[in-house]
Amino acid sequence: DTAVSQTPKYLVTQMGNDKSIKCEQNLGHDTMYWYKQDSKKFLKIMFSYNNKELIINETVPNRFSPKSPDKAHLNLHINSLELGDSAVYFCASSQERLAGGREQFFGPGTRLTVL
Amino acid sequence: DAKTTQPTSMDCAEGRAANLPCNHSTISGNEYVYWYRQIHSQGPQYIIHGLKNNETNEMASLIITEDRKSSTLILPHATLRDTAVYYCIARYGNKLVFGAGTILRVKS
Repeated sequence: DTAVSQTPKYLVTQMGNDKSIKCEQNLGHDTMYWYKQDSKKFLKIMFSYNNKELIINETVPNRFSPKSPDKAHLNLHINSLELGDSAVYFCASSQERLAGGREQFFGPGTRLTVL
Repeated sequence: DAKTTQPTSMDCAEGRAANLPCNHSTISGNEYVYWYRQIHSQGPQYIIHGLKNNETNEMASLIITEDRKSSTLILPHATLRDTAVYYCIARYGNKLVFGAGTILRVKS
């Protein structure tokens, strides 16, 4: 019954490789996000999609390409991985059409290690 | 940049109330104050949010000053499982900007 799920949970890869992280939410939400949490533990938003449309892109290198095949999925593809990409990546979702404040539900995270 | 400032860490005795302060003196009138927490290695978890009025739910209470320049999150009876990093966030639109948060350690 996981609300927001991510796969894989751990990902270890070599520099220069291309990898993808998948995210799915079963909450019926219309907006999904990707966040990055680096070794200093700061959480920063990377992307946001609303109904499959990109609405936030926080100056992330274009090696990172999000793809939203439908409202329930937001995948993150990373080309030419670099050491600095090592971090924990969190997916989140929310229902943005609600008036007032809207909470975001986060997935368990994917720990990416680039060697 | 985060618009909030919080103490780096706090300790609380198990069973006592934990009061976590947050300053947001530059918050605008339509920015909500959100609180999330992150237990070690897990995804952030929503706790509560408010705009002007005090709020209470099954997890916590949120007290916002009348001038909206600061707020306090209250965990009424802290348990060991409440040990986590607590983030106070001023939110406008659908963008959450996380700061460093407060490390709350609940001790027996």
